[in-house]
Amino acid sequence: NAGVTQTPKFQVLKTGQSMTLQCAQDMNHEYMSWYRQDPGMGLRLIHYSVGAGITDQGEVPNGYNVSRSTTEDFPLRLLSAAPSQTSVYFCASSYSGGNTGELFFGEGSRLTVL
Amino acid sequence: AQSVTQPDIHITVSEGASLELRCNYSYGATPYLFWYVQSPGQGLQLLLKYFSGDTLVQGIKGFEAEFKRSQSSFNLRKPSVHWSDAAEYFCAVGRRTNQNQAGTALIFGKGTTLSVSS
Repeated sequence: NAGVTQTPKFQVLKTGQSMTLQCAQDMNHEYMSWYRQDPGMGLRLIHYSVGAGITDQGEVPNGYNVSRSTTEDFPLRLLSAAPSQTSVYFCASSYSGGNTGELFFGEGSRLTVL
Repeated sequence: AQSVTQPDIHITVSEGASLELRCNYSYGATPYLFWYVQSPGQGLQLLLKYFSGDTLVQGIKGFEAEFKRSQSSFNLRKPSVHWSDAAEYFCAVGRRTNQNQAGTALIFGKGTTLSVSS
């Protein structure tokens, strides 16, 4: 059972570079979301999606883009990386049926922007 | 706007002692509430959740939490802490969809780090 898979696990970027963090889930979950985790700040919601073709902004969306062309994939794009985007990023998915509400998290992607 | 406050940044408890981690939320309706635990270098694991009904909910690893609407609180408790409980604990409130479903995404508190002393 793969669950939620994030790649890459580690990445170093220079300021101004762009990159995409990949997230894929094999549980047929409709809901997917991206969070960033910074020391003392907990996890903050960047963007989320309630289904293919539907995305919305979270608490800290600036500097990030997302798209959801398939149920399985929810990539997060950094258009022009800044040092403030140095963080650990978590992708999560959840089941839309019923009211379970449990999020399944990936292992995280540690991004450093120099 | 939804928000979650965890007043304690760091708590140290002796092994075998009881534990209570505080969580207060701000939400306009009956919230969906969660507690997650994160061990160092790991992802997050769900401890327990509250949607409706009985306000005292039981979770994994011997944890429980009580929803108190009048206090906008959802405190996490454990009667006897084990050294393996040392971790960071996050309280979260869930966004509802228009169809009143839970779990689209969560708003997390900043976390409480639990240390266990021997």
